[in-house]
Amino acid sequence: QVQLVQSGPEVKEPGASVKVSCKASGYIFTSSYMHWVRQAPGQGLEWMGIINPSDGRAVYAQKFQGRVSMTSDTSTSTVYLDLSSLRSDDTAVHYCATSTVAEFDSWGQGTLVTVSS
Amino acid sequence: SYELTQPPSVSVSPGQTARITCSGDALPKQYASWYQQKPGQAPVLIIYKDSERPSGIPERISGSSSGTTVTLTISGVQAEDEANYYCQSADSRDSSPYVIFGGGTKLTVL
Repeated sequence: QVQLVQSGPEVKEPGASVKVSCKASGYIFTSSYMHWVRQAPGQGLEWMGIINPSDGRAVYAQKFQGRVSMTSDTSTSTVYLDLSSLRSDDTAVHYCATSTVAEFDSWGQGTLVTVSS
Repeated sequence: SYELTQPPSVSVSPGQTARITCSGDALPKQYASWYQQKPGQAPVLIIYKDSERPSGIPERISGSSSGTTVTLTISGVQAEDEANYYCQSADSRDSSPYVIFGGGTKLTVL
């Protein structure tokens, strides 16, 4: 079965960067897109962007352009989310999720990123 | 900008039918999906392509579409159905994909 295992929680100071990983197993890594979705405490879901693991091409939500980067490593079936210039309102649980068409089939367990001085 | 609008909350008694709506201008031409999220857990896909159920999702959960509104229906509501529900759709902007979520609806089982 599909498994997405994310890295552990992070605590960062404002202005710093964070890198979150998502290791996939149970399917052909390059056959599905990977998205990143985040959820601030008590809030709804917010789409951050999508990456095609087969060629590494990524598209980012307009809100995050300029300070987000998504990459993939086919040798380890892992995708990464880099978010820079962190602010307090970046405090959120960040999820990776797969899609083959338009829906998100499987989700990682989530990684809490806390931005605090 | 493209938005999906959901009611913040819906309340029903056990055994009744819960209906959660999601409205958006692009829904007539784009499929919608629904996710269930319980506290402290990741979302789970329960409906895709407006009305399709993934394997393992009970038949009492269904989806429908009419014009600019999609509806999630949960028949015979049980205590375990108490959760937040999110609709989701996708569109494109300048030939790039774009994903949008509704604001979420908290289903309370009285």
